[in-house]
Amino acid sequence: SQQGEEDPQALSIQEGENATMNCSYKTSINNLQWYRQNSGRGLVHLILIRSNEREKHSGRLRVTLDTSKKSSSLLITASRAADTASYFCATVADRGSTLGRLYFGRGTQLTVWP
Amino acid sequence: DAGVTQSPTHLIKTRGQHVTLRCSPISGHKSVSWYQQVLGQGPQFIFQYYEKEERGRGNFPDRFSARQFPNYSSELNVNALLLGDSALYLCASSAPGLNTGELFFGEGSRLTVL
Repeated sequence: SQQGEEDPQALSIQEGENATMNCSYKTSINNLQWYRQNSGRGLVHLILIRSNEREKHSGRLRVTLDTSKKSSSLLITASRAADTASYFCATVADRGSTLGRLYFGRGTQLTVWP
Repeated sequence: DAGVTQSPTHLIKTRGQHVTLRCSPISGHKSVSWYQQVLGQGPQFIFQYYEKEERGRGNFPDRFSARQFPNYSSELNVNALLLGDSALYLCASSAPGLNTGELFFGEGSRLTVL
């Protein structure tokens, strides 16, 4: 399976703390993306990192990618209660795939307490 | 601009029935993908359509079918419903010309099969 797998499955922190989620995958990728989902609603795209990139920032988000280890991490700095959601990594294969085909992991449920 | 819209938002069916879910992509997006998300899992790819042609199909039985219309909206049909078809069905559109792989998701249609 090409699915990414997030770790941990659940993470509980206090406001102001940093949250780190990890993702591992199995096959070569074109890019890796992180999405957020609030309470079983639609997914919102957070950030995309290409296979030739090692680190990317967007606001309070920092994503790293290690293609040799087939792993990625998402860091949310200075967490807020509004960051409470499920976070998914999704991969796009580097060959034989279409732009619409993402392989998702099971997600990390992040809870940020006020 | 309106995002991806899906209808209906919730529906309840009984085993053996048929269901049709509808999706309107973001204006200008020609690619539509469908995903199934079972409770506690990540989304699983069902179909992708681009320019009214099927461009990809996930590991789902023939009871699942879809089509894309000239205005790029799409329908997902599921026949002979099973209890295991209960899930959140997500539609996503993308702009292949941008070659980013980023998907824009609707809020989903939550199907309950009794």
